Amino acid sequence: EAGVTQFPSHSVIEKGQTVTLRCDPISGHDNLYWYRRVMGKEIKFLLHFVKESKQDESGMPNNRFLAERTGGTYSTLKVQPAELEDSGVYFCASSPLAGGSYEQYFGPGTRLTVT
Amino acid sequence: AQSVSQHNHHVILSEAASLELGCNYSYGGTVNLFWYVQYPGQHLQLLLKYFSGDPLVKGIKGFEAEFIKSKFSFNLRKPSVQWSDTAEYFCAVNAQSSGNTGKLIFGQGTTLQVKP
Repeated sequence: EAGVTQFPSHSVIEKGQTVTLRCDPISGHDNLYWYRRVMGKEIKFLLHFVKESKQDESGMPNNRFLAERTGGTYSTLKVQPAELEDSGVYFCASSPLAGGSYEQYFGPGTRLTVT
Repeated sequence: AQSVSQHNHHVILSEAASLELGCNYSYGGTVNLFWYVQYPGQHLQLLLKYFSGDPLVKGIKGFEAEFIKSKFSFNLRKPSVQWSDTAEYFCAVNAQSSGNTGKLIFGQGTTLQVKP
């Protein structure tokens, strides 16, 4: 069974540019999460999808971040325009929709560097 | 606000030494608790988890953790570390409140370096 995949693995962009990160969850996992780790800090929750619906986007930093999950499969996270403080590692995780089961499977992360 | 605190940011041990990594959380309700590990160049993977029942849980690679509700703690232990345990370790908490979306609150991470 394939794990969670993320693309690209690394992105370097200039301030003001746009970047789109992609996450492919494990097949059949309805729950998809985005997290971010800024250097030296803890991993922080950004948002949660159940299928194509946003269940919780309380962690999104501001309206420069837009996440989508059309069709309830893969998800994209767009940053537009990027700022220096957006640099960090963006993790995606997925889990099956099962009562009481909250084990999340993580992807390798996308390292975003904004210069 | 809920938070998770890991006591040590960087730990250096020799092989065969015992390991204990501290984790405390702030949340008064029922929680699910996790320890994740990230080996160099690899993705985060689950070491062990606690949902309910026996507060002493065993995970992969000889790791275990004990949930002490009165202390809001979930410390990770291993009796004898190996060089291959060199990695970054993350404690995470999910609060079982109404409308629980499963989101995880992470600690800052502890980097473990095991010297051969």
